[in-house]
Amino acid sequence: QPVLTQSSSASASLGSSVKLTCTLSSVHSTYIIAWHQQQPGKAPRYLMKVESSGRYNKGSGVPDRFSGSSSGADRYLTISNLQSEDEADYYCETWDSNSQVFGGGTKLTVL
Amino acid sequence: EVQLLESGGDLVQPGGSLRLSCAASGFTLSNYAMSWVRQAPGKGLQWVSGISGSGDNTFSADSVRGRFTISRDNSKNILYLQMNSLRADDTAVYYCAKELSGSYPATDTFDIWGQGTMVTVSS
Repeated sequence: QPVLTQSSSASASLGSSVKLTCTLSSVHSTYIIAWHQQQPGKAPRYLMKVESSGRYNKGSGVPDRFSGSSSGADRYLTISNLQSEDEADYYCETWDSNSQVFGGGTKLTVL
Repeated sequence: EVQLLESGGDLVQPGGSLRLSCAASGFTLSNYAMSWVRQAPGKGLQWVSGISGSGDNTFSADSVRGRFTISRDNSKNILYLQMNSLRADDTAVYYCAKELSGSYPATDTFDIWGQGTMVTVSS
């Protein structure tokens, strides 16, 4: 079963950019992952899928400020022109062998 | 509008049972695999159980296997989670989630989430 590793926290200033990382276990380094955003007190929201090639597909209504990329076993979520509403928990997720797996989540603080 | 609405969360004693429901609207439920995902207070997301579009195939996390049963009634557009032998560590918000594509579980991510229903297991 894949393991997804995320930093527990990140911070960046309003209007700047931030790049969040999700690392797949080495034997699963080619897997597609997804990013989900969870604002405080709300349900998760699907943002995008990111492939090992770096190609990404965003969900409906996700702003252009959000993009994805990839390098080896790492999958990235980049948020540009940070807004206050981007302050949230961000989870990566993948699937295999009849189960779905989440990373531990990164808490993003917008300064 | 595609929407999921959970209900059935409650305070229950250890060892008790509870059934959660998730009403789907805006899409044909039978075309998609569905799952339950939970989140304990202050913790991250944990996948619980998944079910195929037809309901013929189900899968569950080790922590709930044998205690929780996922099912669906496509004619009513409702997903269920029957929870038995509840323990304190089952306390969480339970979300139902729709897979982005396909009718077989654990083959894609979740593109639609419900608002969640709270289950508290305590004496």
